Amino acid sequence: QVQFVQSGAEVKKPGASVKLSCRTSGYTFTRYAIHWVRQAPGQRLEWMGWISGGNGDTRYSQRFQGRVTLTRDTSASTVHMDLSSLRSEDTAIYYCARWGDGGKIDYWGQGTLVTVSS
Amino acid sequence: QSALTQPASVSGSPGQSITISCTGTSDDVGGYDYVSWYQQRPGKAPKLMIYDVSNRPSGVSTRFSGSKSGNTASLTISGLQAEDEADYYCNSYTSSSTLVFGGGTKLTVL
Repeated sequence: QVQFVQSGAEVKKPGASVKLSCRTSGYTFTRYAIHWVRQAPGQRLEWMGWISGGNGDTRYSQRFQGRVTLTRDTSASTVHMDLSSLRSEDTAIYYCARWGDGGKIDYWGQGTLVTVSS
Repeated sequence: QSALTQPASVSGSPGQSITISCTGTSDDVGGYDYVSWYQQRPGKAPKLMIYDVSNRPSGVSTRFSGSKSGNTASLTISGLQAEDEADYYCNSYTSSSTLVFGGGTKLTVL
């Protein structure tokens, strides 16, 4: 079965960077794109970017352009997300998710809590 | 890219029907049929309820339906049940090859 396992919770200081991972299994990794979505406490879902599992092409939300980098390791069926210059407003749960056949996010990771605090 | 516009909250009694709207632009909702809806319960990851405007994934109740007219998509839940109480988010593909979510709607079952 399709599974997404994300790395554990992180606590970072303002100005630092964080690297999260999303290990996938149960499907052909290179056939699908992986998206990252975050949700600050009590706030809405916010789309951050996606990476193609096949050729590694990326696209980012303008809101995070320059601060976020998505990379993939096809041998490990894993996607990484780097977010730099962290500020308190980046405190959120970060989800990875698969863009399935048709226009939909069909599988989600369990989420990783990132807390940014001095 | 601004968030798609959803009502902050809707409510209904058990057995009733409710509709949640999702308004965007011709660059997202109006331009593509890649509109989806997600249900999110507290502390949980979102769950896909509707995709490609009106398609239901297997396992999702037939009480959930979706439609679109122009730049506005809608999610309708008929025969409201207590278990439907949750937050609902719409999502659309955009002309920039990105995605955008709505602001979310809190559904309360009275």
